[in-house]
Amino acid sequence: EAQVTQNPRYLITVTGKKLTVTCSQNMNHEYMSWYRQDPGLGLRQIYYSMNVEVTDKGDVPEGYKVSRKEKRNFPLILESPSPNQTSLYFCASSADRGGINEKLFFGSGTQLSVL
Amino acid sequence: GNSVTQMEGPVTLSEEAFLTINCTYTATGYPSLFWYVQYPGEGLQLLLKATKADDKGSNKGFEATYRKETTSFHLEKGSVQVSDSAVYFCALTDNYGQNFVFGPGTRLSVLP
Repeated sequence: EAQVTQNPRYLITVTGKKLTVTCSQNMNHEYMSWYRQDPGLGLRQIYYSMNVEVTDKGDVPEGYKVSRKEKRNFPLILESPSPNQTSLYFCASSADRGGINEKLFFGSGTQLSVL
Repeated sequence: GNSVTQMEGPVTLSEEAFLTINCTYTATGYPSLFWYVQYPGEGLQLLLKATKADDKGSNKGFEATYRKETTSFHLEKGSVQVSDSAVYFCALTDNYGQNFVFGPGTRLSVLP
């Protein structure tokens, strides 16, 4: 089954404790992206990757890191989480980036709470 | 930069009522337009899309027409069901390497 898998689904942590949210897709997509969803603000892009070893900042990259060492994986790293990073996070991937058949596939989300 | 504006929610309707959720956009060039839907506890999934002016996207009884003259992509459904209760996001991408831009989302609740 074609899917984007995020882990964990829920995470509670404390300020300053490094964490990683994993994202994996099994569709051989070149494009992957991370979003955060906050009430009233919709989805805002954190980072995206057009291909292996190619990453770029989205609209709200501060406090986050990503890596793309393999095509299928795109982990999101919070080196020193702060309470304002409490949010619902989504990973997404896409084939045919910019093309007529473009479509984003989303993971089920990771609810992060930073105390 | 590119942006998407959606009508404020939440929207509450009775079953079988007519639905309209307004969406307008600002973008350079010729963007592709999308509606994504998020059911409770799930990620977003594509509902419909349109890639050029006057195209109509449709799926599951929902429709939206790409209106370049009014920069709009309003979502409509003739008769909503309880199972349509979800958050609906309007989005665009300009096909030139810019990334997806999402609106804030509109929560729809359909009552039996």
